[in-house]
Amino acid sequence: AQSVTQLGSHVSVSEGALVLLRCNYSSSVPPYLFWYVQYPNQGLQLLLKYTTGATLVKGINGFEAEFKKSETSFHLTKPSAHMSDAAEYFCAVSNAGGTSYGKLTFGQGTILTVHP
Amino acid sequence: NAGVTQTPKFQVLKTGQSMTLQCAQDMNHEYMSWYRQDPGMGLRLIHYSVGAGITDQGEVPNGYNVSRSTTEDFPLRLLSAAPSQTSVYFCASSWDGTQYFGPGTRLLVL
Repeated sequence: AQSVTQLGSHVSVSEGALVLLRCNYSSSVPPYLFWYVQYPNQGLQLLLKYTTGATLVKGINGFEAEFKKSETSFHLTKPSAHMSDAAEYFCAVSNAGGTSYGKLTFGQGTILTVHP
Repeated sequence: NAGVTQTPKFQVLKTGQSMTLQCAQDMNHEYMSWYRQDPGMGLRLIHYSVGAGITDQGEVPNGYNVSRSTTEDFPLRLLSAAPSQTSVYFCASSWDGTQYFGPGTRLLVL
């Protein structure tokens, strides 16, 4: 069985500061890893994903994440926070291939607040 | 492309009533899924489908039925609504493991 743990249900940063949202996963097979963002009263939008290959992946809006197999982590970072980054962020994992494409396991979510 | 669409956007039900949440996608994706979102619990998989005519249960399937007669549509049926089913429901579709989500249906069961 897979699981995802997001450390910190709420993270608060100042505008211009580094954003770091933590995600650890467990999976018995090589995982696909995702970060999604949800703005208030909206659906989920894909920020970035790791499937295979380069372990540092870049996404939209200046976000990036690094897959670290030895640490079973996939932390999300952004060098400089913007007010528009305030949202809820979800880390998710699935198995590679086949029927697993229909199944994502999500973390509990982290609400990011950005202060002026 | 409209992507993934869901109807209705908001619904109020009384305990014991039944209803169907509609989901459609126009991207010709094989895989479709239903999730519910509850505060502090992330999204949890209810049912999913790997193609027309093939469905399977997810993490929280009790009280819900699905069917997939076409590639485009994947309706979710609540058989007898309960207050515990008050939630926001998201439909998603995928062809390569990346899931694309609809805007959601907010359901309140009284």
